[in-house]
Amino acid sequence: LQLVESGGGLVQPGGSLRLSCAASGFTLSGYWMHWVRQVPGKGLMWVSRINSEGTSTSYADSVKGRFTTSRDNAKNTLYLQMNGLRAEDTAVYYCAPSFEAEWLDPWGQGTLVTVSS
Amino acid sequence: DIVMTQSPDSLAVSLGERATINCKSSQTVLYSSNNKNYLAWYQQKPGQPPKLLIYWASTRESGVPDRFSGSGSGTDFTLTINSLQAEDVAVYYCQQYYRTPSTFGQGTKLEIK
Repeated sequence: LQLVESGGGLVQPGGSLRLSCAASGFTLSGYWMHWVRQVPGKGLMWVSRINSEGTSTSYADSVKGRFTTSRDNAKNTLYLQMNGLRAEDTAVYYCAPSFEAEWLDPWGQGTLVTVSS
Repeated sequence: DIVMTQSPDSLAVSLGERATINCKSSQTVLYSSNNKNYLAWYQQKPGQPPKLLIYWASTRESGVPDRFSGSGSGTDFTLTINSLQAEDVAVYYCQQYYRTPSTFGQGTKLEIK
């Protein structure tokens, strides 16, 4: 089971990025999928989740209205569209699956997003 | 949101000794209809993503050494590491998945004394 995040990088404040999370060794379609971020050297913060069909999403208040989670089960891939990026969004972004509202396992290696001018 | 508070923030334990990490939730995470505590523990080593250790507060994930154990119910939980090994140096997080948004404790850094 492996998850690989990509799409991170340096972006200016107010800019946009789209992160991807590709799964190998298992099928994402049976799982809820989550994004969790971690400021380097700091703790974990749940960002969003999407149900297995892609019909229901939830977001942390700090990203609501700016971030959009989606999935393409045919491509076995999860996405996070991030708009209106702020300096405080700088973090490593991890994706992870769960069986509905359960624990997260396994986690991808993460992709670093840096918001700076 | 449910606030998860871990204690201590850091601790140093001698090799072969026991480490105890506490996690307290601001609301119960015990779901009465199935009598399950919606609480997980993760281990994060430097430069690595978190790794699941314990779920349902006390069920050890497959492959996790049996020196790791979880206990507690309702709002108070404990992660115990018996006979501490050098490879156990890490930051440990608790997480509640009882209610959205899922929330994590601030982390406890475990070092060797």
